[in-house]
Amino acid sequence: AQSVTQLGSHVSVSEGALVLLRCNYSSSVPPYLFWYVQYPNQGLQLLLKYTSAATLVKGINGFEAEFKKSETSFHLTKPSAHMSDAAEYFCAVSLLGNEKLTFGTGTRLTIIP
Amino acid sequence: EAGVAQSPRYKIIEKRQSVAFWCNPISGHATLYWYQQILGQGPKLLIQFQNNGVVDDSQLPKDRFSAERLKGVDSTLKIQPAKLEDSAVYLCASSAFRGANVLTFGAGSRLTVL
Repeated sequence: AQSVTQLGSHVSVSEGALVLLRCNYSSSVPPYLFWYVQYPNQGLQLLLKYTSAATLVKGINGFEAEFKKSETSFHLTKPSAHMSDAAEYFCAVSLLGNEKLTFGTGTRLTIIP
Repeated sequence: EAGVAQSPRYKIIEKRQSVAFWCNPISGHATLYWYQQILGQGPKLLIQFQNNGVVDDSQLPKDRFSAERLKGVDSTLKIQPAKLEDSAVYLCASSAFRGANVLTFGAGSRLTVL
């Protein structure tokens, strides 16, 4: 069975600083990997996805993530944090041909002015 | 295109009462999901429909939860009787087809069981 682990339930960064949210996956077959963002009282919105093409994936709002098979990681980064990035971020995994998503426990990102 | 619609947005009930949540997916989306998101946790899949058939309900507590998608469009999730541990946000999502790998989520229905 596939799973993801998100390291750090809370991350705080200063406005303008680098954002790094960590995600490690476990899967017996090549996975599809996703990052979703959830703003307060809203549903989840897809930030980006990896589906076995380019290992560096660019998403919306300036976010990107790199698939590293050797490290079983799919960390989310953004060079310069903005106040509007404050939200909860979820890493998720699915398998080829089955879009059932298995989510991590989430990381709450706080931006310090 | 219109998004995934869910209602009600908020519901407070007492334990042992019943509750129903409704979801209308994006027009034309064949696959519909219900997820349960307990505070502090990631969403957990309860049930997946393909048109009006159930694909996966392995994590649905069938003694108290039921879901249907009779005409392959909108769906209802019911809890009867509710327990305290059912307090959560119930998220509905849809995708165009199986294997599309892109889910669109609704805003969710927040249930509080007292």
